[in-house]
Amino acid sequence: DAMVIQNPRYQVTQFGKPVTLSCSQTLNHNVMYWYQQKSSQAPKLLFHYYDKDFNNEADTPDNFQSRRPNTSFCFLDIRSPGLGDAAMYLCATSRPADATEAFFGQGTRLTVV
Amino acid sequence: GDSVTQMEGPVTLSEEAFLTINCTYTATGYPSLFWYVQYPGEGLQLLLKATKADDKGSNKGFEATYRKETTSFHLEKGSVQVSDSAVYFCALSNRGSTLGRLYFGRGTQLTVWP
Repeated sequence: DAMVIQNPRYQVTQFGKPVTLSCSQTLNHNVMYWYQQKSSQAPKLLFHYYDKDFNNEADTPDNFQSRRPNTSFCFLDIRSPGLGDAAMYLCATSRPADATEAFFGQGTRLTVV
Repeated sequence: GDSVTQMEGPVTLSEEAFLTINCTYTATGYPSLFWYVQYPGEGLQLLLKATKADDKGSNKGFEATYRKETTSFHLEKGSVQVSDSAVYFCALSNRGSTLGRLYFGRGTQLTVWP
């Protein structure tokens, strides 16, 4: 009965080779978020979608892109991964109406070699 | 802007000890407050929440009370277990900000020894 599912759990990619992480949800929530979490740090918001409206955080590098083809799925594309992009990537969803909690997936651990 | 300040870790306790992790916040309006827990290699799980002043959130023996007068939401547990070892994040979400996005504290690593 997992509600936010991220695939894969672990991803190894080569320096500079494009990589895509995926997230799906069964909650029918309007908002989907991507967070980056580096070791021993708090999650950092990269961007979010409200339905099909995309909202980028001001300090998110251009190297990071996202797609949301429908309500259930959202993808994180890293165009040219660098060693500094190695991190845990967390997908989350929420309903925007009442500032309730966000529901997180288990994360994808990205390693860049 | 909205922000959360959380007690620095790591915190190391013996089993059955009392736990407090301090959290204070800055926000306009009426934020909701949360504690999330992260076990090694896992995503974040909601531990408890409070959506208005004087509300007490509780779950699995953990408690936190939303104190508007002191802008605090401290996490407490009367008797910790080894299985409570994890990283704990205090967070807030504000209707007035970006659609319920979460502002996190830096996290507190808790280790409980048997």
